[in-house]
Amino acid sequence: GDSVTQMEGPVTLSEEAFLTINCTYTATGYPSLFWYVQYPGEGLQLLLKATKADDKGSNKGFEATYRKETTSFHLEKGSVQVSDSAVYFCALSDGGSNTGNQFYFGTGTSLTVIP
Amino acid sequence: DAGVIQSPRHEVTEMGQEVTLRCKPISGHNSLFWYRQTMMRGLELLIYFNNNVPIDDSGMPEDRFSAKMPNASFSTLKIQPSEPRDSAVYFCASSWDGGNQPQHFGDGTRLSIL
Repeated sequence: GDSVTQMEGPVTLSEEAFLTINCTYTATGYPSLFWYVQYPGEGLQLLLKATKADDKGSNKGFEATYRKETTSFHLEKGSVQVSDSAVYFCALSDGGSNTGNQFYFGTGTSLTVIP
Repeated sequence: DAGVIQSPRHEVTEMGQEVTLRCKPISGHNSLFWYRQTMMRGLELLIYFNNNVPIDDSGMPEDRFSAKMPNASFSTLKIQPSEPRDSAVYFCASSWDGGNQPQHFGDGTRLSIL
């Protein structure tokens, strides 16, 4: 079945460091891929998405490219800030059926950015 | 636009009591999801509805858990009787199932069973 595997955490970086959080997926069809962010005490918020191969999603300085050949959707940011400290989830949507889109979430990667 | 609205935000109750969590999805969304999040098990899908019909409830832990969606704008998750191991944050999310749309999450209900 469809699934998402993401990098184990926690990750600790100094401010202005480069961030990569790895995400790979398994899917039988043509999924859409998402990154969500969860700040302490809040729900998951959509960070970015890509709906087909070679699409690049971007938002707030974060980027991820949908790579079909490597079944990957790695999250990157060139210079992290303390305010980026959160838990990041990679997710896959199976493209829908007559009963709606099923979503599959990774286990989450905790990021702490220190000044 | 209003997002997904969950109530209550926090619930503390004693073991054995009935707990009801509520969710109002985003207007126009036709899929609704209930999740549970704990440190030990992470984010778990409990059940999801499409057009008010339960599609997959395989994640519901046991018969003490039940969920309903009587109309497109309201859903409940009920635990009866509650146990300490049910303590977690429960999230509701909704989406529109056309064209791989994202899920939108509520702020969650933090449930503590004493």
